[in-house]
Amino acid sequence: GAVVSQHPSRVICKSGTSVKIECRSLDFQATTMFWYRQFPKKSLMLMATSNEGSKATYEQGVEKDKFLINHASLTLSTLTVTSAHPEDSSFYICSASRGASWESGETQYFGPGTRLLVL
Amino acid sequence: AQSVSQHNHHVILSEAASLELGCNYSYGGTVNLFWYVQYPGQHLQLLLKYFSGDPLVKGIKGFEAEFIKSKFSFNLRKPSVQWSDTAEYFCAVVFSGGYNKLIFGAGTRLAVHP
Repeated sequence: GAVVSQHPSRVICKSGTSVKIECRSLDFQATTMFWYRQFPKKSLMLMATSNEGSKATYEQGVEKDKFLINHASLTLSTLTVTSAHPEDSSFYICSASRGASWESGETQYFGPGTRLLVL
Repeated sequence: AQSVSQHNHHVILSEAASLELGCNYSYGGTVNLFWYVQYPGQHLQLLLKYFSGDPLVKGIKGFEAEFIKSKFSFNLRKPSVQWSDTAEYFCAVVFSGGYNKLIFGAGTRLAVHP
């Protein structure tokens, strides 16, 4: 149980185009989903937290107009990189949690990641 | 600011050697603590977690970790590593008050030689 998928696994796009990445919780309902970015040989950096049906909360330094997050249902969240540039090339990972608060003590389950290359 | 430190960036061991990976966090309040592992080409998987109770936590694949509150530490241990333990290990902390937000350490890359 607790499987999270991402689609696509890899995407190459031209500079200036937009790319949508999907994150799905396959066998549970995810109240909260998270989007991370992982730089080569570095740790995961949290970009934003989204709760189903409400606006995402972005971390400091993450442009919300560039990285659009939608969490329309309890099993699906999408990240759209708008007007992508080469510096947006990275590995994007989502995770999903059943709970919405620290007190619930819910574990995050991670997707396999999406490698984005912007030419 | 709340942060998580992993002191060993690269560790190289021979099979059957013992392993201890350090993890410290900077926060005086209540925390939930996690160790995740990322095998080559795979996604992050949960090794073990601590929320409350016994500070010595046992996880999958023979790993354990000990929460020492006075030292703000949550070190990962395994008495005898195997070649299949070659992976990157991430310590992560959820700090109290608010959403279930994980702060990750920089990760430790472990290579186990046969």
